[in-house]
Amino acid sequence: NAGVMQNPRHLVRRRGQEARLRCSPVKGHSHVYWYRQLPEEGLKFMVYLQKENIIDESGMPKERFSAEFPKEGPSILRIQQVVRGDSAAYFCASSPPIGAPKGGELFFGEGSRLTVL
Amino acid sequence: GIQVEQSPPDLILQEGANSTLRCNFSDSVNNLQWFHQNPWGQLINLFYIPSGTKQNGRLSATTVATERYSLLYISSSQTTDSGVYFCAVDPSGNTGKLIFGQGTTLQVKP
Repeated sequence: NAGVMQNPRHLVRRRGQEARLRCSPVKGHSHVYWYRQLPEEGLKFMVYLQKENIIDESGMPKERFSAEFPKEGPSILRIQQVVRGDSAAYFCASSPPIGAPKGGELFFGEGSRLTVL
Repeated sequence: GIQVEQSPPDLILQEGANSTLRCNFSDSVNNLQWFHQNPWGQLINLFYIPSGTKQNGRLSATTVATERYSLLYISSSQTTDSGVYFCAVDPSGNTGKLIFGQGTTLQVKP
């Protein structure tokens, strides 16, 4: 029963380094989403991707953050030159195609917890 | 934008008790989900329930879309039910862009 797989589960970086978080969606799901959970807060939408396309990145910070979902391989959330404020849990979710049964129902991974020293 | 309010913010129960968690939203939605975030941080799907009533074991949920609220019922609570319960809505038509409430933190004492 392969759900959404995220790695690494925990990542520690020093200020100025790069963080790369990976996400493999549920098999058969073509839509991937990244959410961020800051300490003591709920989850906030960051970006919505389909294979090789960014559909909606309205929740992404304008600088240092980027996301991709290549034709082959996992989706990657990349944070360049990390700062302490980037410390958070980053969750990936996937869903069936919109229009399919339960299209739009999101299934979340276990999250990647980034700590910036 | 749409507002999602959950109540109560915190809840302490004795094991075996029942509880009702509420989620109010300020505009019509096409998707509503309930999640449980356990003490280890994992986010678990409970219900996908844009309308109607569903049951899964000791948990059930009801969404009255016309009145813009959803309820999550937990019966015979167990210590493993502890954690944060989130309601999340998608007002835009199943885009996957969920707006989360601030959550209800539940502690079940043995």
